[in-house]
Amino acid sequence: DVKVTQSSRYLVKRTGEKVFLECVQDMDHENMFWYRQDPGLGLRLIYFSYDVKMKEKGDIPEGYSVSREKKERFSLILESASTNQTSMYLCAIQLAGVEDTQYFGPGTRLTVL
Amino acid sequence: AQKVTQAQTEISVVEKEDVTLDCVYETRDTTYYLFWYKQPPSGELVFLIRRNSFDEQNEISGRYSWNFQKSTSSFNFTITASQVVDSAVYFCALMGGSYIPTFGRGTSLIVHP
Repeated sequence: DVKVTQSSRYLVKRTGEKVFLECVQDMDHENMFWYRQDPGLGLRLIYFSYDVKMKEKGDIPEGYSVSREKKERFSLILESASTNQTSMYLCAIQLAGVEDTQYFGPGTRLTVL
Repeated sequence: AQKVTQAQTEISVVEKEDVTLDCVYETRDTTYYLFWYKQPPSGELVFLIRRNSFDEQNEISGRYSWNFQKSTSSFNFTITASQVVDSAVYFCALMGGSYIPTFGRGTSLIVHP
């Protein structure tokens, strides 16, 4: 079974705080993704990574950065959290191969006060 | 550019009714994949099905069935004899040559007892 874990299910932070969201996978997959999900907007891609120390911007990278020092861990960083970053954050991994499918972690509901 | 449209924002049915969730897509890729995911209230996106563009056979899995029609660029999802546990947000997604999926905005299905 594919297993993707995220460090917290619920998180409450204050405006201006630095926030780390972590995603860990146990299947040695190379491709990892961070999305945010907002009502009526679906999933929007923030950043993704194809390998250690590699990162690519998605559709909405502003206000976020990422870190991938080890293959199994992909961190999303909010350098200075703002209220408009209150959202559901979803991490996904992608199986390598011809037919790729994304598998998701349980999500982190972040509230920025 | 890829696009996925789920025109139904919310559907409300009574248990045991059949319900169809619509998904229309746009892509210039000749090879692509289509997906359906289920997001129950707990938040985690659960992979349901993947279809590639060369396989237009309809698929049935228990009470779930999928109708893929390239002629109309649609990949619709039908739940037969709906149950309360089917209540969730359902996402349709499209993945082309970039292997970066594009998600629809989701359809919220509410099944009343």
